[in-house]
Amino acid sequence: AQSVTQLDSQVPVFEEAPVELRCNYSSSVSVYLFWYVQYPNQGLQLLLKYLSGSTLVESINGFEAEFNKSQTSFHLRKPSVHISDTAEYFCAVSENNAGNMLTFGGGTRLMVKP
Amino acid sequence: DVKVTQSSRYLVKRTGEKVFLECVQDMDHENMFWYRQDPGLGLRLIYFSYDVKMKEKGDIPEGYSVSREKKERFSLILESASTNQTSMYLCASRLGQLDQPQHFGDGTRLSIL
Repeated sequence: AQSVTQLDSQVPVFEEAPVELRCNYSSSVSVYLFWYVQYPNQGLQLLLKYLSGSTLVESINGFEAEFNKSQTSFHLRKPSVHISDTAEYFCAVSENNAGNMLTFGGGTRLMVKP
Repeated sequence: DVKVTQSSRYLVKRTGEKVFLECVQDMDHENMFWYRQDPGLGLRLIYFSYDVKMKEKGDIPEGYSVSREKKERFSLILESASTNQTSMYLCASRLGQLDQPQHFGDGTRLSIL
């Protein structure tokens, strides 16, 4: 069965500093990987996804994530964060033969300070 | 743009009441989902539906039921609300298969007193 671990529940960082949000998953088959973002008082929005092909995927607002099959990781990075990036970030995984199931990690709260 | 609308942002109910949470999507998506969100636990799937009148249990279905009489509407029912069902509830919809993103509503914060 698939599972997702987000190692950090909270990540405080100063504005314009780089950040990495860690995500590890367990699965014995090929997977799809997703990062969702939840701004305060809102639902989740898709940030980026890995389906196949290039292991580095990017979002339109400067985030990127790299799929590492050997380490079963999909860490999210941004070289320079803004105050507006303050939100909760969820990593999610689905196995290609898992029907409709998407499994979420526990979430990481990114707190960007001025 | 996909719109997923949950009928209430905040709801307060009493123990033992029957509670209905409603969700409507406007993009003709086959798949609809109900999650609950608790701090540190992320999102946990309660039920999902892949077609009208079809439903499947998720990871934590106990104490809940669902109804999907029309394609655009997916209802979550707490048959007899208990305090441990106090949580944030999120509805989502998705077109097609797993490579497509899920679109979420803004959530209903439910308190059971």
